[in-house]
Amino acid sequence: QSALTQPPSASGSPGQSVTISCTGTSSDIGGYDYVSWYQQHPGKAPKLMIFEVNKRPSGVPDRFSGSKSGNTASLTVSGLQAEDEANYYCNSYAGSNNWVFGGGTKLTVL
Amino acid sequence: EVQMVESGGGLVQPGGSLKLSCAASGFSFSGSAIHWVRQASGKGLEWVGRIRTKTGDYATAYVESVRGRFTISRTDSENRAYLQMDSLRTEDTAVYYCTSSSSYYFDNWGQGTLVTVSA
Repeated sequence: QSALTQPPSASGSPGQSVTISCTGTSSDIGGYDYVSWYQQHPGKAPKLMIFEVNKRPSGVPDRFSGSKSGNTASLTVSGLQAEDEANYYCNSYAGSNNWVFGGGTKLTVL
Repeated sequence: EVQMVESGGGLVQPGGSLKLSCAASGFSFSGSAIHWVRQASGKGLEWVGRIRTKTGDYATAYVESVRGRFTISRTDSENRAYLQMDSLRTEDTAVYYCTSSSSYYFDNWGQGTLVTVSA
């Protein structure tokens, strides 16, 4: 099972919006609505930000939103804030009791 | 407060074994699947494996690269999960996280424990 494809980096100024893409195949992202996104600050554990494509856990700001089209999922962060600077990873169920992560995107707030 | 705490990491020689433990509290441990995810230094996250609940017959699943070498188990009465790692390779060096799951995503995470495989 190959890793999902994410851009290595993304950036935006405070208050702007940024979108991070995550591309897979019809066997993972395209085949299931089980895409999730995780935020990880350096030296910290990952934190669930989006699950089932576009649902937010309680406590996650509504500035974070998710979507999916075909084999590509996206995470959009609106109204960028300094604390949003982190690494973001997408994940998808890939069938047959397998899960696959993306390579990660480092989000820089300029 | 939800907590997941991993322990048992350390330095081990190639070919050796190590058993990681994950202690959970603050949520329905017995009602949650438990996954292990690892992260090599400076690299991304990699799903390692999962154990289902009693309702799911404690079924396990693993990524191909560890299948046959790693074994996940759990003791619901103690709110603990384990990752037995045998025939360790240098490429298994990573921080190992345990995480709970009530569906197809990972909601609660531990802080991780470092496993170093080196001669």
